[in-house]
Amino acid sequence: QLKLVESGGGVVQPGGSLRLSCAASGFPFSTFGMQWVRQAPGRGLEWVAFIRYDKSSEFYADSVKGRFTIFRDNSRKTLSLQMNSLTPEDTAVYFCARDFISAAGTPFDLWGPGTLVTVSS
Amino acid sequence: EIVMTQSPATLSVSPGDRATLSCRASESVNNNLAWYQQKPGQAPRLLIYAASVRATGIPARFSGSGSGTEFTLTISSLQSEDFAFYYCQQYSYWPPYTFGQGTKLDI
Repeated sequence: QLKLVESGGGVVQPGGSLRLSCAASGFPFSTFGMQWVRQAPGRGLEWVAFIRYDKSSEFYADSVKGRFTIFRDNSRKTLSLQMNSLTPEDTAVYFCARDFISAAGTPFDLWGPGTLVTVSS
Repeated sequence: EIVMTQSPATLSVSPGDRATLSCRASESVNNNLAWYQQKPGQAPRLLIYAASVRATGIPARFSGSGSGTEFTLTISSLQSEDFAFYYCQQYSYWPPYTFGQGTKLDI
C-alpha cells in the first residue's frame, strides 16, 4: 500500500528548531522526487521545499530559505525537514508529498496526512 | 513567481447540480496545471493533471479544461462527498510551485 506518514510536529517557541520526518512505504522511494507543503490554519497550500530523488538538488520557498533544510535517507525511505529559527508564521500543518513523475515540474500524487507545527511562546 | 487566482472563493450548490470552478494564472503555464480536492482534516488528493487528465481512480464526473492562463474544473452531478475545498496548482515554472487560494464547494 502506498503510504507517507509524517511525524515530529509539536509546539515550539519562537526562535526554536524542530525536525520533521516522513516515512514512505509501498513504492520505490529512491526513484521519486519529494516535497514538503504546508498549510497554515484556515489557509491555503504553500509549497515549502523539494529534493530530487538522488539528492543532487534542493529548492526552497523564499519564506524558508536559509532556515529550513530538506534531506532524505533513501536506504531508510525517509524524508526529513530541519526547521530552524522558527517564527509564528511557520505555524502550519506540514505535508510531505511525492512527485507524480520524475520531470522538471510535476504535480504531487501521494500525500501524507500531515503533522501540525505550532510556534508559540 | 506565477500567481494563481481561483474564483469564486465559495460556491454554493446542491447535490445533483453542476459546479464550475475557475483558475487563472498570472502568465501562461501551458497545460501544466493540476487540481486537488481537500476535505477538512485530510491531505489534498490529486484530481486532474495536465489541465484535463484525470488521475487514477478519479470519477468521470470530474473534468478539467483550459490552457495558457485560464482553466476550469467542472464537476457534473455533484455527490455529497464532493463538497470540499479545491485548489489549482501550476507546475510549469518552479520554484516556487504555486497554488491558488482555493474554492470552497458548499452545500
